[in-house]
Amino acid sequence: ELKVEQNPLFLSMQEGKNYTIYCNYSTTSDRLYWYRQDPGKSLESLFVLLSNGAVKQEGRLMASLDTKARLSTLHITAAVHDLSATYFCAVKGGGGSEKLVFGKGTKLTVNP
Amino acid sequence: EPEVTQTPSHQVTQMGQEVILRCVPISNHLYFYWYRQILGQKVEFLVSFYNNEISEKSEIFDDQFSVERPDGSNFTLKIRSTKLEDSAMYFCASNLDRVTEAFFGQGTRLTVV
Repeated sequence: ELKVEQNPLFLSMQEGKNYTIYCNYSTTSDRLYWYRQDPGKSLESLFVLLSNGAVKQEGRLMASLDTKARLSTLHITAAVHDLSATYFCAVKGGGGSEKLVFGKGTKLTVNP
Repeated sequence: EPEVTQTPSHQVTQMGQEVILRCVPISNHLYFYWYRQILGQKVEFLVSFYNNEISEKSEIFDDQFSVERPDGSNFTLKIRSTKLEDSAMYFCASNLDRVTEAFFGQGTRLTVV
């Protein structure tokens, strides 16, 4: 059974600092997604990572995927308050499964 | 920009009542899903639907749950006899193919009292 672990679960950081969120998954998959969720809102797609070594960047966020290590990272550069949200990684179940298995999410708070 | 639309945004129902949650997926998408998120917890898969039939379901999706695509646009989730533990945010999602990301609706908050 596919398991997805994120850490940390809670992250409080100062504006201007850098930090990395980690997402480990337990079985082979080559499709990993990062989503952002604001309180009471839906899930907004941030990145789709489809192959080993994939790296994508959007603004202050950069995501990477290492399928051999079964690890994805979401790196935050020079955080700003607007990045405060909960970030989820999600992995497609293997063996033809279409379901997404989500991590527990990382609640990020960026303090001025 | 196309989006997944869900109605209602909030539904309060008494335990034992039937509820139907409605979704209009993005029009050219082919894969449809329901997920739920109990307050403060992670998002859990309920069911996927492709080619007018259920393609996969989780252990949560028991006989009390059913899905339908009654016409070319709507996708519904029915809970036959609600329980207190069904209280959650229910998200509908759709995607075009097996690779691209799923787009999520804004959710229906279901409260069972």
